[in-house]
Amino acid sequence: GAGVSQSPSNKVTEKGKDVELRCDPISGHTALYWYRQSLGQGLEFLIYFQGNSAPDKSGLPSDRFSAERTGGSVSTLTIQRTQQEDSAVYLCASSVRTSGTDTQYFGPGTRLTVL
Amino acid sequence: QQQVKQSPQSLIVQKGGISIINCAYENTAFDYFPWYQQFPGKGPALLIAIRPDVSEKKEGRFTISFNKSAKQFSLHIMDSQPGDSATYFCAASYVGYEKLTFGTGTRLTIIP
Repeated sequence: GAGVSQSPSNKVTEKGKDVELRCDPISGHTALYWYRQSLGQGLEFLIYFQGNSAPDKSGLPSDRFSAERTGGSVSTLTIQRTQQEDSAVYLCASSVRTSGTDTQYFGPGTRLTVL
Repeated sequence: QQQVKQSPQSLIVQKGGISIINCAYENTAFDYFPWYQQFPGKGPALLIAIRPDVSEKKEGRFTISFNKSAKQFSLHIMDSQPGDSATYFCAASYVGYEKLTFGTGTRLTIIP
């Protein structure tokens, strides 16, 4: 079956503009995660969703970042009033369950460049 | 302390050699230690994982060694091949904790 897909693959925006990044998880996976990967850095956890439960937003760096997951499937990460330090690769992952011990399957990421 | 420290940041190994990447953690609650492999332009993919009830796990040319008392674990790639050139991330988690804590990554280059 299809893996995790993300769109767009690349996004260039101007400082101060809003951007939306999309993630389509693997069908049937109840858990969905967003990570940020900055140049030379590891994966920084942003937010995760488990089924219909309230998301864990503890990794969001500021209130400019938000995410939603509609119908327990597709997720959108929104960054408002983008700043240059938001430039990074944003990765989405899904797993069968919300458990750190379940294999997370990653999408190819969206490379965001803020000019 | 949720941090996982990974070293080296980059590694160059000759084809056929052994590549070794090390990670250390502080949180003794961690009981699941996966390694992810990432090729340029791709998302990370699970390579191999270990739980602390064993000291070593081998899958093909890839081996995880785990030292519970030292709170360290490492990835060994035997007979390294150019196709192994990638970035490798260690991570840690535990049952009941929904997130993976990742190391900062090691860029591995295998030269002919």
